[in-house]
Amino acid sequence: IAGITQAPTSQILAAGRRMTLRCTQDMRHNAMYWYRQDLGLGLRLIHYSNTAGTTGKGEVPDGYSVSRANTDDFPLTLASAVPSQTSVYFCASSATGADQPQHFGDGTRLSIL
Amino acid sequence: EDQVTQSPEALRLQEGESSSLNCSYTVSGLRGLFWYRQDPGKGPEFLFTLYSAGEEKEKERLKATLTKKESFLHITAPKPEDSATYLCAVLYRSGNTPLVFGKGTRLSVIA
Repeated sequence: IAGITQAPTSQILAAGRRMTLRCTQDMRHNAMYWYRQDLGLGLRLIHYSNTAGTTGKGEVPDGYSVSRANTDDFPLTLASAVPSQTSVYFCASSATGADQPQHFGDGTRLSIL
Repeated sequence: EDQVTQSPEALRLQEGESSSLNCSYTVSGLRGLFWYRQDPGKGPEFLFTLYSAGEEKEKERLKATLTKKESFLHITAPKPEDSATYLCAVLYRSGNTPLVFGKGTRLSVIA
């Protein structure tokens, strides 16, 4: 079934550790996105990529980095995790064009202790 | 600042009791408005895109409408399987953020 695969599905991490959340899509979408979802705050964009080789900052980029080496993969890295990064992280993708609907994975639940 | 406000925060309906969810947005140039459904432990699932005032889209018991300041998601004769959080997201003509999401409406349909 075509779609977005995120890994891991959940993780408990010690503060200060490095962590990479993986995201792979098989829909050949050019654009990909990373969001965090927190209770009471809704979905907030962390980083995005309009096409392979390019990335941009969203609303809450601090403490996160991304890369887009190819069309299918868009990993999100926390270089040194802090408790405030405890959240549910969603990866999404869309066809070219900002007005195209985004399709989401089922998320990674990350707890930083 | 561009904002998206959804109301109510939570809604409890009896099975078959029709109602509407609201999504209002600041008027600074709308390029598109998206409705999503999110089940617990899952990612948002795309439902509809609306691009201009007066536009309507339908899918089963759901109908989305758009005016110049707000969108409504009408739920006709809901069933328990319609229980979910419904998210609205707006794409503005200005600014760098691709989508601005509302906080959602949690819908519970009781049999």
